[in-house]
Amino acid sequence: RKEVEQDPGPFNVPEGATVAFNCTYSNSASQSFFWYRQDCRKEPKLLMSVYSSGNEDGRFTAQLNRASQYISLLIRDSKLSDSATYLCVVNYGGYNKLIFGAGTRLAVHP
Amino acid sequence: EAQVTQNPRYLITVTGKKLTVTCSQNMNHEYMSWYRQDPGLGLRQIYYSMNVEVTDKGDVPEGYKVSRKEKRNFPLILESPSPNQTSLYFCASSRDRRYEQYFGPGTRLTVT
Repeated sequence: RKEVEQDPGPFNVPEGATVAFNCTYSNSASQSFFWYRQDCRKEPKLLMSVYSSGNEDGRFTAQLNRASQYISLLIRDSKLSDSATYLCVVNYGGYNKLIFGAGTRLAVHP
Repeated sequence: EAQVTQNPRYLITVTGKKLTVTCSQNMNHEYMSWYRQDPGLGLRQIYYSMNVEVTDKGDVPEGYKVSRKEKRNFPLILESPSPNQTSLYFCASSRDRRYEQYFGPGTRLTVT
């Protein structure tokens, strides 16, 4: 079983749609959680950190469920510019590394 | 401008010819890391460094070396490249492993 798992997609949605991605992680000792965005052949960039209480940044909402060991990303009112791959990232507290999921591809069409 | 730079951006080489990919950051970050990205596998950590002269293996260190003689630089060395090291490589830095990582633009390496 992979340490961090994501549905690879692609998720094909029309502009204005709401779309949600989930990511599961295997290590219950995980402490930090992030969503990164990666455009084709470009470097990943932080979209948002994920806090225990959940957090929102404009059209983006991230949630953490420690009991079920998953995090989620909700995108409302999708824009064409949201088309990208979204990477789920987990840090295990006692280890000095981040574990990346393979990513979920989102394609927003007119 | 705060950034992570990598050179070269593209490299085609032959099996066995030693190469170095440079990485430099201007944010005074202590933590630096190298990743490779392959289709379907996501980003996998090769090596990381907590500070000057402190480096450690990530998940896929075989065939790679690193050094951290200065805080800003973290070169990746392939002593004898092989075709299975053909990949997209990213260098990243952060003030601590728990915080946002800033990535360089990537180096696309092809080993024939």
